[in-house]
Amino acid sequence: QVQLQQSGAELVKPGTSVKLSCKASGYTFTSNHMNWIKQTTGQGLEWIGIINPGSGGTSYNVKFKGKATLTVDKSSSTAFMQLSSLTPEDSAVYYCARYQLPGYNWFAYWGQGTLVTVSS
Amino acid sequence: DIQMTQSPASLSASLGETVSIECLASEGISNDLAWYQQKSGKSPQLLIYAASRLQDGVPSRFSGSGSGTRYSLKISGMQPEDEADYFCQQSYKYPYTFGAGTKLELK
Repeated sequence: QVQLQQSGAELVKPGTSVKLSCKASGYTFTSNHMNWIKQTTGQGLEWIGIINPGSGGTSYNVKFKGKATLTVDKSSSTAFMQLSSLTPEDSAVYYCARYQLPGYNWFAYWGQGTLVTVSS
Repeated sequence: DIQMTQSPASLSASLGETVSIECLASEGISNDLAWYQQKSGKSPQLLIYAASRLQDGVPSRFSGSGSGTRYSLKISGMQPEDEADYFCQQSYKYPYTFGAGTKLELK
């Protein structure tokens, strides 16, 4: 069965960076795009961007360009998202999420989420 | 960006009551609309995709309808386990966008 296992909660200082991971199992990692989504109480759910694990190609929400960088490691079936120049506004739960099937652009599979807290 | 206006923000329903949640897109999205349920402390779960198709394993009391810019989620017979937040999401074009959510409580 498809599983997306995300890394643990992070407490980080303003101005620093953090790299979150999402390890995929139960399917061929390169066969399906990986999305990243931010959830806060105030802003709700926001789509950050998407990566094609096969090619490494990415698309970003303009709002998160320069903030988020998506990469993958095919050898470990793991997707990564690095968040840079962190501010308190980056405090949120971050999810990785996979499409149901290629071309079916809704999120049938979600990781458990990673809580990022930005505080000095 | 396509704006998704979801209403109501909160809703209280009695056991067995039928409830509806609506999403209005700022432009036509050609039925590229999904609904998610999120219980407290959990990840969202897909309920409905392509506006009206029920995801495998989701109870048949959940249904979706709509077209163009207007879409709705209906729960026919509120159950205690339906207490949750509900979100719509358009997948018509990047950036994908979500509604602000509806908090559904059991009265």
